[in-house]
Amino acid sequence: AQSVSQHNHHVILSEAASLELGCNYSYGGTVNLFWYVQYPGQHLQLLLKYFSGDPLVKGIKGFEAEFIKSKFSFNLRKPSVQWSDTAEYFCAVNRGSSASKIIFGSGTRLSIRP
Amino acid sequence: NAGVTQTPKFQVLKTGQSMTLQCAQDMNHEYMSWYRQDPGMGLRLIHYSVGAGITDQGEVPNGYNVSRSTTEDFPLRLLSAAPSQTSVYFCASRDRGASYNEQFFGPGTRLTVL
Repeated sequence: AQSVSQHNHHVILSEAASLELGCNYSYGGTVNLFWYVQYPGQHLQLLLKYFSGDPLVKGIKGFEAEFIKSKFSFNLRKPSVQWSDTAEYFCAVNRGSSASKIIFGSGTRLSIRP
Repeated sequence: NAGVTQTPKFQVLKTGQSMTLQCAQDMNHEYMSWYRQDPGMGLRLIHYSVGAGITDQGEVPNGYNVSRSTTEDFPLRLLSAAPSQTSVYFCASRDRGASYNEQFFGPGTRLTVL
């Protein structure tokens, strides 16, 4: 079955620590990859996306993600987190041939200690 | 633009009751989707639509019906509510143009079934 896996369910970091959240998907072929963020009490917003070209994608608020096709991965990174990064982060995938359907991972809750 | 709007924001139902969650968007997006968000399970796709008159099932369609009579509206119907349908429901829309286009999410409806 098609799936998106986020193995870190809850990550706790101190301010200024570096962040890496894992995302793996099980589709073959062409994919589009997304990271969404949900701040407490708010709806989901797009952080960044990959669809072609440079596999290192830069998004808003200093986040970046690297697409590694051979590993079916799209990990999210940030060199130095802030307290305001406390949120839930979702990886999502759609297939180039089935563009109407976007499948989400289970999410990673990030807590930042001030 | 109001973006994606959802009503109601909160709802409590008794087992067996029916109700409709409303979703509307004013961005002329052809693609619309309904997700449910449950702790530890992320967002799961319930139903989606690629245009007026066209709907399809997602990952967890059982117990839910949808219709798409206009481009703007995509209501989700629960015919006979069950406690397992207690969740937060998000509606999303996306422009058809490219498969990597961003999805825009509504603020969500928190549903409790007693």
